[in-house]
Amino acid sequence: AQSVTQLGSHVSVSEGALVLLRCNYSSSVPPYLFWYVQYPNQGLQLLLKYTSAATLVKGINGFEAEFKKSETSFHLTKPSAHMSDAAEYFCAVRTGGFKTIFGAGTRLFVKA
Amino acid sequence: SQTIHQWPATLVQPVGSPLSLECTVEGTSNPNLYWYRQAAGRGLQLLFYSVGIGQISSEVPQNLSASRPQDRQFILSSKKLLLSDSGFYLCAWSRGTGPYEQYFGPGTRLTVT
Repeated sequence: AQSVTQLGSHVSVSEGALVLLRCNYSSSVPPYLFWYVQYPNQGLQLLLKYTSAATLVKGINGFEAEFKKSETSFHLTKPSAHMSDAAEYFCAVRTGGFKTIFGAGTRLFVKA
Repeated sequence: SQTIHQWPATLVQPVGSPLSLECTVEGTSNPNLYWYRQAAGRGLQLLFYSVGIGQISSEVPQNLSASRPQDRQFILSSKKLLLSDSGFYLCAWSRGTGPYEQYFGPGTRLTVT
């Protein structure tokens, strides 16, 4: 069975600082991995996804994530935080079936 | 392009009343459809998913039910709401069983009083 663990339910950074949101997964088969973002009272939007091509994946809004099989990790980073990045971020894993398993989410706060 | 609609956007219902939330998808055919619930400060809980008309898989035994009367229509229902049914309900669709992301609707905020 697959699972996703997001370390830290809340992360706070200053504007302009590095954003690092951590995600570890568990899967018995090669996974497809996703990061989604959710703004208040909205649905989730895809930021980026890993589908076994390049291990460093670039997404929208300057975010990127690196798939590290040896560490079973897929951490999300952005070099410089912007106020508009304040939102909740979800890591997710999918294998060959119909379901996607979501992590519990990390709320990102950006301080001016 | 594909779009997904949910309505209503917000709903306040008394305990014991019925519920019907609707989700429709445009611009694609034979999508996989999903209902999630998000309680305050919590992650996503998968409630139901459907891979075709009339085919519903339930993930959580509770007083909710789902139906898919048409290819691109997914309905979430309850005969009698409980206080614990309050939350943010999200409909989503995806393609197939491969490396496909899910596309989410705008959500329905349900408050049971």
